[in-house]
Amino acid sequence: ELKVEQNPLFLSMQEGKNYTIYCNYSTTSDRLYWYRQDPGKSLESLFVLLSNGAVKQEGRLMASLDTKARLSTLHITAAVHDLSATYFCAVVRQGGSEKLVFGKGTKLTVNP
Amino acid sequence: KAGVTQTPRYLIKTRGQQVTLSCSPISGHRSVSWYQQTPGQGLQFLFEYFSETQRNKGNFPGRFSGRQFSNSRSEMNVSTLELGDSALYLCASSLAAGSGYEQYFGPGTRLTVT
Repeated sequence: ELKVEQNPLFLSMQEGKNYTIYCNYSTTSDRLYWYRQDPGKSLESLFVLLSNGAVKQEGRLMASLDTKARLSTLHITAAVHDLSATYFCAVVRQGGSEKLVFGKGTKLTVNP
Repeated sequence: KAGVTQTPRYLIKTRGQQVTLSCSPISGHRSVSWYQQTPGQGLQFLFEYFSETQRNKGNFPGRFSGRQFSNSRSEMNVSTLELGDSALYLCASSLAAGSGYEQYFGPGTRLTVT
């Protein structure tokens, strides 16, 4: 059974600081997604990572994938208040359906 | 291009009732998946449909069912509602079935069971 673990689950940081969210998964996967969710809202797709060593960046967020370690990271650079949200990683099981298995999410709060 | 739409957006029901939620995928998308989000269990896969056929089902009781129509619109039904069914139900569509197709999420239906 594919399991996805995120840590930390809660992250409070000051504006201007850097931090990394980690996503570990238990079995081989086709692809990994990072989503953002604001309170009461749906999921907004941030990144799709398809292969080992993949790195994608958008603004202050950068995601990477190490398929050998079954680890993805979401790095936040010089955080700003607008980044406050819950971030989820989700993994698609290799050879399976497109069913997504989600981590429990990391609730990020960026304080002024 | 319009995104995934879900109706209704909010719903309040009483224990024991049943409810039907609707999802219209992005035009041209033929695969629809449903997910339940609760504070305790997080995001969990319910089922997915492609070409009017259920391809996969998550670990939910038989009270949860769904279907897909020939125009790819999908409905999910929950019978004999329980308090624990209170959740945000998210629908996602993709071009086709298979892990190679990204899913796009709708705004969700917030169901409250009292």
